[in-house]
Amino acid sequence: DAKTTQPNSMESNEEEPVHLPCNHSTISGTDYIHWYRQLPSQGPEYVIHGLTSNVNNRMASLAIAEDRKSSTLILHRATLRDAAVYYCILGGNSGYALNFGKGTSLLVTP
Amino acid sequence: DAGITQSPRHKVTETGTPVTLRCHQTENHRYMYWYRQDPGHGLRLIHYSYGVKDTDKGEVSDGYSVSRSKTEDFLLTLESATSSQTSVYFCAISEYGQAGAFFGQGTRLTVV
Repeated sequence: DAKTTQPNSMESNEEEPVHLPCNHSTISGTDYIHWYRQLPSQGPEYVIHGLTSNVNNRMASLAIAEDRKSSTLILHRATLRDAAVYYCILGGNSGYALNFGKGTSLLVTP
Repeated sequence: DAGITQSPRHKVTETGTPVTLRCHQTENHRYMYWYRQDPGHGLRLIHYSYGVKDTDKGEVSDGYSVSRSKTEDFLLTLESATSSQTSVYFCAISEYGQAGAFFGQGTRLTVV
C-alpha cells in the first residue's frame, strides 16, 4: 500500500491560514487522497478528498501537486475549533479500509 | 449528523470474559468498519464489512471476531478479553467508499 508522510505537529495562530503538507511519493494512478480530522475526544470526521485537481469545500481546500507525489490541506482561516489531528490517507474510492497513520497534530493559538 | 450509534459507550470488564460491542446505523450504508485507537498508534483497522455476511480482517484482527447479519448492525466480539484490548473502539460507516465515512462517538473499553 502507498504510504503517506506528515509532520507530527504544527502550530498556527487563530484567523491565519494553515497549510498542512502530506507526502505520498509512491501514490498509484488510481489512489485518491483523503483527509480526515479528529477533534479531541471525538471520532474522526471527513474533511475533503481529491484525485488530480484541486478541490474546495466549505471546510477546506486540497491542493494536489502536478506529479501527485504531495498534497496540501489548506484551512483558510484557522479557528480554535480546528485544533485536531489531521490524517492524510491514500486509497481507491471504494469502501475498503481507511488506513490511518499518525497524522499531524494541529495546535491553534489565540 | 449521520445515524450511527455505538453501544455501550463505556465498559469495564474482567480478563477472560467475552465482550460484544454493537454498532448500529440508520443510513443503510453498505460499508461498516471497526477501529481501535491507542496512544501512540493512531487508528488501526480491526475488521470491516462490505455487505451482510461479508466481512474481512484488518490490520489488528487477532482476538476479535465480527458479525453482520443485518445491514444496520455490525457487532465486534472479544471472545476472551485481555488487558491489551483496553482501548477506544470506533465504528464507521460509508455508502460509496473511503470519502465521506462517518464515525461513531467511540466505546471506551477497559479490561482489568
